[in-house]
Amino acid sequence: GAVVSQHPSWVICKSGTSVKIECRSLDFQATTMFWYRQFPKQSLMLMATSNEGSKATYEQGVEKDKFLINHASLTLSTLTVTSAHPEDSSFYICSARLPGTGGSQQFFGPGTRLTVL
Amino acid sequence: RKEVEQDPGPFNVPEGATVAFNCTYSNSASQSFFWYRQDCRKEPKLLMSVYSSGNEDGRFTAQLNRASQYISLLIRDSKLSDSATYLCVVNRYKAGGSYIPTFGRGTSLIVHP
Repeated sequence: GAVVSQHPSWVICKSGTSVKIECRSLDFQATTMFWYRQFPKQSLMLMATSNEGSKATYEQGVEKDKFLINHASLTLSTLTVTSAHPEDSSFYICSARLPGTGGSQQFFGPGTRLTVL
Repeated sequence: RKEVEQDPGPFNVPEGATVAFNCTYSNSASQSFFWYRQDCRKEPKLLMSVYSSGNEDGRFTAQLNRASQYISLLIRDSKLSDSATYLCVVNRYKAGGSYIPTFGRGTSLIVHP
């Protein structure tokens, strides 16, 4: 299947710092990538849809100024958690939409576990 | 009402058992449906798509009932390695040509010897 990588796989940071997470589609070009957050024993919550060359579309309740998304190329999207706080600690997962499937199929990165102290 | 609902379980079954999960969705405009499997502290992996006519992949059978707005997953001859959380994903079409995926909370399956 298609491969999506994420970096870093885990990060621990102090409150108030910013953290950047990268999502790459390794063997296909993805015009659309999704960013999710998953708290323990909860479902994946879609945060935003990242579109190459245009602004991201954020879901209701997600602060666009806090979660900055940049999709500068067809294989890379980044999520920056600005001024992170302990309540931002979560598992952040990206996915890339597989072209040629009608846009409906997506493959996930391995996730980034963020812990804010 | 949540857009996609699943019984969180856990479903605790012995090896060799047959187990079935359901997932209901509230948006009748939903277009495509999938089952994903997620192991503890890992990313979800696609298990199978769900087609209106129903589809089977080895021990796994998925079905879609549009009239009642639910999808199901049947696992026959359960293996220990089937222990995981099974996520129901519903895509709805959004104007502009995109699909918006919504995940259920997941159903936990534990297969014991």
